[in-house]
Amino acid sequence: AQSVTQLGSHVSVSEGALVLLRCNYSSSVPPYLFWYVQYPNQGLQLLLKYTSAATLVKGINGFEAEFKKSETSFHLTKPSAHMSDAAEYFCAVSPTGNQFYFGTGTSLTVIP
Amino acid sequence: DADVTQTPRNRITKTGKRIMLECSQTKGHDRMYWYRQDPGLGLQLIYYSFDVKDINKGEISDGYSVSRQAQAKFSLSLESAIPNQTALYFCATSDGTGINQPQHFGDGTRLSIL
Repeated sequence: AQSVTQLGSHVSVSEGALVLLRCNYSSSVPPYLFWYVQYPNQGLQLLLKYTSAATLVKGINGFEAEFKKSETSFHLTKPSAHMSDAAEYFCAVSPTGNQFYFGTGTSLTVIP
Repeated sequence: DADVTQTPRNRITKTGKRIMLECSQTKGHDRMYWYRQDPGLGLQLIYYSFDVKDINKGEISDGYSVSRQAQAKFSLSLESAIPNQTALYFCATSDGTGINQPQHFGDGTRLSIL
């Protein structure tokens, strides 16, 4: 069965500091990979997706993620946190593009 | 206007009541999904549909049913609601005609069962 692990259910960073949110997946074949962001009282919005064209994927709002096949990871980073980045972040995988499996989420707090 | 619209946004009801949550989309996508979100558990798939005549159970379908009335409409029913079905429910769509297509979510329905 497919699984997605997000290490750290809560992450706090200072404004201007590096953001690193971790995601590992279990699959013998690299699946389709996505990061979503959820703001309070809203649905999930796509941040970025892995397309296999490049291992480093750039998304919206300055976020990027690096696909590492050897580590089965797809960690999300942003060089400098902004207050508006405070939200819940979800990693998702889709083995075949049909069903999607979500991690349990990481709540990001940005400290002024 | 939102591309994926869920109604109602909030609902409080009593145990044993029948409840229907509705989802409509203007994205023209063929695939639609229902998830529930519980704190600390992420999103769990309840049902999904790849076209009007296709309905599939997800991870946690017990106690739920769905109806795909049209390509743009996908409703979720709780025939006899119970308190542990209190959760945030999301509808999502995706385009099945391309590969690596992401999902697009509605803003959710917050359901409380007393």
